[in-house]
Amino acid sequence: AQKITQTQPGMFVQEKEAVTLDCTYDTSDPSYGLFWYKQPSSGEMIFLIYQGSYDQQNATEGRYSLNFQKARKSANLVISASQLGDSAMYFCAMREGLGAAGNKLTFGGGTRVLVKP
Amino acid sequence: EAQVTQNPRYLITVTGKKLTVTCSQNMNHEYMSWYRQDPGLGLRQIYYSMNVEVTDKGDVPEGYKVSRKEKRNFPLILESPSPNQTSLYFCASSLSKTPFTVQHFGDGTRLSIL
Repeated sequence: AQKITQTQPGMFVQEKEAVTLDCTYDTSDPSYGLFWYKQPSSGEMIFLIYQGSYDQQNATEGRYSLNFQKARKSANLVISASQLGDSAMYFCAMREGLGAAGNKLTFGGGTRVLVKP
Repeated sequence: EAQVTQNPRYLITVTGKKLTVTCSQNMNHEYMSWYRQDPGLGLRQIYYSMNVEVTDKGDVPEGYKVSRKEKRNFPLILESPSPNQTSLYFCASSLSKTPFTVQHFGDGTRLSIL
């Protein structure tokens, strides 16, 4: 089974509007971190926001917020007031607990966002 | 500025010619890792290191070597590159191995093996 699922391969959003990117995850580990990264066309991988499995409140970082619904195993990214520079690929990723092999990040397939002026 | 630095950013080379991609971080991070990103396959972990002199295989280690002689550096070595190693490579580091620390990525290295 996929550990991280992003069901939206691509989406358009109007400049200045908000957009929600979906992410569901699958783990039996009680300790995990959830992350969102942005990859512009230039290729670099930019960290946006993090949510820990024990965090009670949803994370926010500027225009980014993470809608964490633990029971539903979802960690959706909300970008408010979209800007042209937000056009990029967005990845949801998970890092599982201390017993996980490699302590690696497991990535979803990504969602490509295109902001229209 | 806190960062992970990879070099080179781009490299075109030929089959069999040994190459090294360097990775350096200035954040005193314990954990470092190499990933490769391929269309349709996503990002996959090649090797990782928990600390100096401690390295281990990730999901796709074949054809690669690493070393961690100093905390800040984690080079990726391709002893005899082959065309199937053409990919976008990322080095990442985090404060520790726990799931609650952020992995910060370098800008990536685009390797083409002809």
